[in-house]
Amino acid sequence: KNQVEQSPQSLIILEGKNCTLQCNYTVSPFSNLRWYKQDTGRGPVSLTIMTFSENTKSNGRYTATLDADTKQSSLHITASQLSDSASYICVVSGSGGGADGLTFGKGTHLIIQP
Amino acid sequence: GAGVSQSPSNKVTEKGKDVELRCDPISGHTALYWYRQSLGQGLEFLIYFQGNSAPDKSGLPSDRFSAERTGGSVSTLTIQRTQQEDSAVYLCASSPRRTSGRSGELFFGEGSRLTVL
Repeated sequence: KNQVEQSPQSLIILEGKNCTLQCNYTVSPFSNLRWYKQDTGRGPVSLTIMTFSENTKSNGRYTATLDADTKQSSLHITASQLSDSASYICVVSGSGGGADGLTFGKGTHLIIQP
Repeated sequence: GAGVSQSPSNKVTEKGKDVELRCDPISGHTALYWYRQSLGQGLEFLIYFQGNSAPDKSGLPSDRFSAERTGGSVSTLTIQRTQQEDSAVYLCASSPRRTSGRSGELFFGEGSRLTVL
């Protein structure tokens, strides 16, 4: 069964600090992995996409990594800001399976404190 | 429009009533998805439309739930005889092409928050 597990479930850090969110998956065959950011009361928005051949990709203060061998991805946030407070959702796309091949993690709820 | 539009943004209804939730996808997007997000929970897949193909209804939780997509554009999610456990945010997303096996990004609406009293 395709699964995506995210950790931690929730995280509180002080403004300016760094943090790393984890995503482990068992989706097979693997196509790509996306990280979405969901602000409170809003719909999720894509931050970055990782394909099989990519190990790391940056989008501003966000850096995503992918280890296709261990089936793990991480999202590192540098110099956190209050606006980074949100839920971060890992979505893995496979070539088969239901729901159009998309498997969602439950998300990590990140709170940045001043 | 510039993005995915959902209406109503908030809906309060009484148990047993029917509700309709509407989604206007981004123009030209062939794929449309409905998800449900309960408080503090992840996104739960409900139904997926792709072009003129038969929809994937595998996520609908019961026969009280149905959805249609007219003219390959606007979609309506209908919940009949609502129950308190139906209370959640219903999110619609569209994508320009099939995501299965591709890198298609989902563009989400702001959601419709349903409260069943």
